Amino acid sequence: EIVLTQSPGTLSLSPGERATLSCRASQSVSSSFLAWYQQKPGQAPRLLIYGAFVRATGIPDRFSGSGSGTDFTLTISRLEPEDFAVYYCQQYGRSPITFGQGTRLEIK
Amino acid sequence: EVQLVESGGGLVQPGRSLRLSCAASGFKFDDYAMHWVRQVPGKGLEWVSGISWNSGSIGYADSVKGRFTISRDNAKKSLYLEMNSLRAEDTALYYCAKEIAAAGGWDVWGQGTTVTVSS
Repeated sequence: EIVLTQSPGTLSLSPGERATLSCRASQSVSSSFLAWYQQKPGQAPRLLIYGAFVRATGIPDRFSGSGSGTDFTLTISRLEPEDFAVYYCQQYGRSPITFGQGTRLEIK
Repeated sequence: EVQLVESGGGLVQPGRSLRLSCAASGFKFDDYAMHWVRQVPGKGLEWVSGISWNSGSIGYADSVKGRFTISRDNAKKSLYLEMNSLRAEDTALYYCAKEIAAAGGWDVWGQGTTVTVSS
C-alpha cells in the first residue's frame, strides 16, 4: 500500500499569502496518478488537481500542482477567504487507492 | 445537472447487512468508473471500493474485502454497495464518486449517506 504523508498538518496563513502544501508518497506514484481535493465543513470533497498538475474544470488558476515520483506539492498563489479548508492528496495509480491524512489551512 | 445521490444508510446492529445505492444523473453513467469512499466525522477520507465502467475491474480496501460487494446497473444509472458483517468501525459517512476518464481524479461526488453500526 502506498502511504501518503501530508505536511504540515495545519497551516496558518492570511488572505493574500502563498500556501505550499506537501504530499510525500512511500513509493513512487505511477504516471503521476496524483490528485488534490479541497473539503469544507459539511461538504463533499472537491477535485482541484489531477495527474499531479492538471487543474480540474472550473478551478481558479491560483491553484497549481507540481511534483513527480514521491514528492508532490499543491500551491495556492494568493489565498482567498474561501480557500481556507482541508486539503487531501490522493494516489490512484496503484490499488488500494490511498489518501493523505489532510492539511488544514486556517486563517491566521 | 451532473449529480450523484446516495441512499440506504441508517442505524444497523453489528453483524447485520445494509445496501447503499447511488443514483447518477446528468452524465453518461456507463462511460465512467465509480467509487465508494467513506469518512468518519472529523477524520480523513478512506477509499472503500471501485468498479470500472463495465464491471470488468473491481477493487476493495483490505478493511472491507470479503464483507462488502460493489456493483452497478448501467441501465438504471446506479451504483451499489452491499455491506455484510458490519462492524462498529464501518460507521462513517459514505460517498459515491465518479472518476474522470482514464488518468483522472474523481470530479463528481454525492453528499453522502451515513451508516451507523451500533447495538
